[in-house]
Amino acid sequence: DIQMTQSPSSLSASVGDRVTITCQASQDISNNLNWYQQKPGKAPKLLIYDASNLETGVPSRFSGSGSGTDFTFTISSLQPEDIAAYYCQQYDYLPLTFGGGTKVEIK
Amino acid sequence: EVKLVESGGGLVKPGGSLRLSCAASGFTFSSYSMNWVRQAPGKGLEWVSSISASSSYIYYADSVKGRFTISRDNAKNSLYLRMNSLRAEDTAVYYCARDPEPNSSSWRLDYWGQGSLVTVSS
Repeated sequence: DIQMTQSPSSLSASVGDRVTITCQASQDISNNLNWYQQKPGKAPKLLIYDASNLETGVPSRFSGSGSGTDFTFTISSLQPEDIAAYYCQQYDYLPLTFGGGTKVEIK
Repeated sequence: EVKLVESGGGLVKPGGSLRLSCAASGFTFSSYSMNWVRQAPGKGLEWVSSISASSSYIYYADSVKGRFTISRDNAKNSLYLRMNSLRAEDTAVYYCARDPEPNSSSWRLDYWGQGSLVTVSS
């Protein structure tokens, strides 16, 4: 199985800060990576697909980049409503696997 | 509006069985692959199973293979997960989720249900 290692596991930042989360795959997955946001008590929501494509309706402050084994998810200006856990997910090979998640909090 | 509503969760003893259902509305259910993803309490996401639009292709995580069966009834716009030989480690919220690519698989999950809690405990 492809292992997805996300870091950090949690972070605390101020409103307006730039937030960066990384996801590393255990092998080359090209750009076959998605990012999800999960707010407390809610289902996950797709934000970014194919590593860098913004899902329809998602604010432009969210972005993704990377290919191969190293990927980055960025919130350009953190907003209070962005408090959530964020997960990467690879789909290069089954089984689909998710990163361990990054919990984002407001400082 | 796309809507996915899971049901059928509950408390079951180890070794027991349960069937989850996911009622879909707001889209042509028969054209889309569907998935089950679970989340143990306080933990991350784990993909469980996928089924193609016509049920021709079915895939499982190793952790549930041989114990869980995914199925769908396109006439009833419903997805199912039959879970047998349940273990404590199967305790989780189970989500059904749609793949947005009609008659194919993009392996991204664009709509999710609210989840159904399955608790396996004696």
